Amino acid sequence: QKEVEQNSGPLSVPEGAIASLNCTYSDRGSQSFFWYRQYSGKSPELIMSIYSNGDKEDGRFTAQLNKASQYVSLLIRDSQPSDSATYLCAVEGNTPLVFGKGTRLSVIA
Amino acid sequence: DTGVSQDPRHKITKRGQNVTFRCDPISEHNRLYWYRQTLGQGPEFLTYFQNEAQLEKSRLLSDRFSAERPKGSFSTLEIQRTEQGDSAMYLCASSPGTGGYNEQFFGPGTRLTVL
Repeated sequence: QKEVEQNSGPLSVPEGAIASLNCTYSDRGSQSFFWYRQYSGKSPELIMSIYSNGDKEDGRFTAQLNKASQYVSLLIRDSQPSDSATYLCAVEGNTPLVFGKGTRLSVIA
Repeated sequence: DTGVSQDPRHKITKRGQNVTFRCDPISEHNRLYWYRQTLGQGPEFLTYFQNEAQLEKSRLLSDRFSAERPKGSFSTLEIQRTEQGDSAMYLCASSPGTGGYNEQFFGPGTRLTVL
């Protein structure tokens, strides 16, 4: 059973702070890694993808991948109340996407 | 480019009835996926298509569930003899399926309530 683990939260950060979201996965053959944002009652929205070790930055978002440690993270800089949502980590290898249960982020104004 | 669309957005049915959902992927996306999501869980893979071919089905998928993508464009997901445990959000996603990267984009979902 391939698993993706996330802390369910809630993770509370003040407005303007850096939010750090973490994810571990069990399948060493995983090749593609994604972060989705999901607002309550809405569908997941792709915000970052990462395929190789290291950091990938896109605006206020930075994804970090460490395949040796089977660990992927998402940093959100200058957090805004509009970032309050559930963040889903998803991993793909030789099987279709496996999602974690998500981390609920709350940005306090 | 329009996004993934799903119809209906909400469906309320009685236990034992059959329901069918439709998904229209992003145009020219070869791959189409179906997922199910319940409260507090991440989306759970059900099945996916590469063009009109159904390439994989989850082992957890009951034989009451069937999906088609007859012309490699839109897809339908049918649930026969619905049960209360089928109540969930049914999500469709599509991806280009080429170029080595498989970013999936989700539709708005169909929320099913089985009474």
